[in-house]
Amino acid sequence: DQQVKQNSPSLSVQEGRISILNCDYTNSMFDYFLWYKKYPAEGPTFLISISSIKDKNEDGRFTVFLNKSAKHLSLHIVPSQPGDSAVYFCAASGRDNFNKFYFGSGTKLNVKP
Amino acid sequence: EAGVTQFPSHSVIEKGQTVTLRCDPISGHDNLYWYRRVMGKEIKFLLHFVKESKQDESGMPNNRFLAERTGGTYSTLKVQPAELEDSGVYFCASSQAGLGYGYTFGSGTRLTVV
Repeated sequence: DQQVKQNSPSLSVQEGRISILNCDYTNSMFDYFLWYKKYPAEGPTFLISISSIKDKNEDGRFTVFLNKSAKHLSLHIVPSQPGDSAVYFCAASGRDNFNKFYFGSGTKLNVKP
Repeated sequence: EAGVTQFPSHSVIEKGQTVTLRCDPISGHDNLYWYRRVMGKEIKFLLHFVKESKQDESGMPNNRFLAERTGGTYSTLKVQPAELEDSGVYFCASSQAGLGYGYTFGSGTRLTVV
């Protein structure tokens, strides 16, 4: 059973606007969450992370929000740029094995110029 | 520093044949992982090496899959015999010892079984 879910397979946003990508998880033991970005024919690259002791982490244009009670996290990209067009995966790991990540199925973001 | 290298980048084989995928991790990275993405679905964990030892192989689908990591350096993933459902993109990743955050992924091997 899939423990990390990204229910939106695609998202289209105008350049300069905010992109919001969502992710839900089911396992309350998950302690650490990451977002990866993937371009075609490349491997996923690490974007930003957050641990369960925080509810927000920022890195430049990228902010991740964690709502533990709702088992929900989101990635905000402001402002969105055409180079942000890629597939975004969220991933989670638990305190019992922080080396093993559970990934969602990805959301394809298209930022239109 | 060189990244994680995987080859071949693509492989097309017939059902019943054998295929071996190779991964060269970043030098000095003790942790090496194999993941797989099938048909645009989620990226699923296969196994985790620490140096030459299998730390966790709970994600290996069945005994047709065999992973090795010779001398704690490069790793191979052999599928024998291959089945149609083995088609997908196989990613390798590596990380330094003790770091629980994001790994560095290779660009993957796209395996197609026909």
